Amino acid sequence: AQTVTQSQPEMSVQEAETVTLSCTYDTSESNYYLFWYKQPPSRQMILVIRQEAYKQQNATENRFSVNFQKAAKSFSLKISDSQLGDTAMYFCAFRTSFGNEKLTFGTGTRLTIIP
Amino acid sequence: NAGVTQTPKFQVLKTGQSMTLQCAQDMNHNSMYWYRQDPGMGLRLIYYSASEGTTDKGEVPNGYNVSRLNKREFSLRLESAAPSQTSVYFCASSEVEKLFFGSGTQLSVL
Repeated sequence: AQTVTQSQPEMSVQEAETVTLSCTYDTSESNYYLFWYKQPPSRQMILVIRQEAYKQQNATENRFSVNFQKAAKSFSLKISDSQLGDTAMYFCAFRTSFGNEKLTFGTGTRLTIIP
Repeated sequence: NAGVTQTPKFQVLKTGQSMTLQCAQDMNHNSMYWYRQDPGMGLRLIYYSASEGTTDKGEVPNGYNVSRLNKREFSLRLESAAPSQTSVYFCASSEVEKLFFGSGTQLSVL
């Protein structure tokens, strides 16, 4: 079974600074997808970024980028020029490429952007 | 586009009562899911349905039943609610590898 670990329950950073959220996972699969989801106080789950394991290039979406280290099974999220609207819970998630489509989530990191 | 619609948004039950959480998606997705979210636990899969007419247990299925009524609708039923089922429940549907979530149901069992 796959597991996803987020070792930072809470983080805070000053507005406009850069912050990195950590995620590690365990799997015996070679092909899979990794995701970061954002959950603001509204409770809505919002897909921030995704990475296919077979792609060596790290995914980027505007101010959000990932550092994907397949051998180390590490998938960190970097938020640049952080904004107050980035305050949220962030969940790392894993899904295999084949077979069942279940998403396995980490326990989340609560990020607070300080004005 | 409505996306994934869950009802109700809030519910309070007494121990032993039953209720059904409704979920519908209008994106023609085959796969649908029910998750529960608890503090410090992340989101845990209760049940999922890979296609109309099929359902499978997830990580925490005990105390729940599901029905995939048609391609659009996937309901979650608590037959005899327990305080341990106090949680936020999310329905989701997926297109390939992307999940689309409903806005959640805050359920309290007293």
